[in-house]
Amino acid sequence: ILNVEQSPQSLHVQEGDSTNFTCSFPSSNFYALHWYRWETAKSPEALFVMTLNGDEKKKGRISATLNTKEGYSYLYIKGSQPEDSATYLCAFKSGKLIFGQGTTLQVKP
Amino acid sequence: DARVTQTPRHKVTEMGQEVTMRCQPILGHNTVFWYRQTMMQGLELLAYFRNRAPLDDSGMPKDRFSAEMPDATLATLKIQPSEPRDSAVYFCASGLFLGRSSGANVLTFGAGSRLTVL
Repeated sequence: ILNVEQSPQSLHVQEGDSTNFTCSFPSSNFYALHWYRWETAKSPEALFVMTLNGDEKKKGRISATLNTKEGYSYLYIKGSQPEDSATYLCAFKSGKLIFGQGTTLQVKP
Repeated sequence: DARVTQTPRHKVTEMGQEVTMRCQPILGHNTVFWYRQTMMQGLELLAYFRNRAPLDDSGMPKDRFSAEMPDATLATLKIQPSEPRDSAVYFCASGLFLGRSSGANVLTFGAGSRLTVL
């Protein structure tokens, strides 16, 4: 069984705060690690895909890092805004794509 | 914009009825996934296909669920007979995966089919 764990399960922050979440995945048979953003009543949308140990990706105020040797990835949001409120999913790819439970972020104005 | 199309968007049915959900993947994508959104398990993988061949359907209850890709433009997920515990949002997603080196390709999700079984 492939276990992809995300923490925390949920997070409430004030507008302007910076925050980060963790995704843990198996360190063997690694193909790629995906991050998706999932707003309520919508479909998940891709943020990043990372394939190499040490990868860092950035999109605006959101960035992600990858450590394949120890099996974790961090997603950072700098200066959170209310529109960042969503569930952030990571997914581990080794053939099939297995999603974690997600971290639900609520940013209060 | 290319998109994954799912039908129906909403379905309410009675226990015991057959339900078929359909998905049109993005043209040129060779991999199709079916996921189910549940409160307890987030996005649960039901089945996936590559080049229309089923690669893994271990996440599906075999006695009542079946997934097929009759052609490259259509994937179906069928539940027969349906039960109240099948009530969920079912997502189809497609991507282009050409082996380990193309791990960088992402999935595009459909809007989901919300199923309610009474």
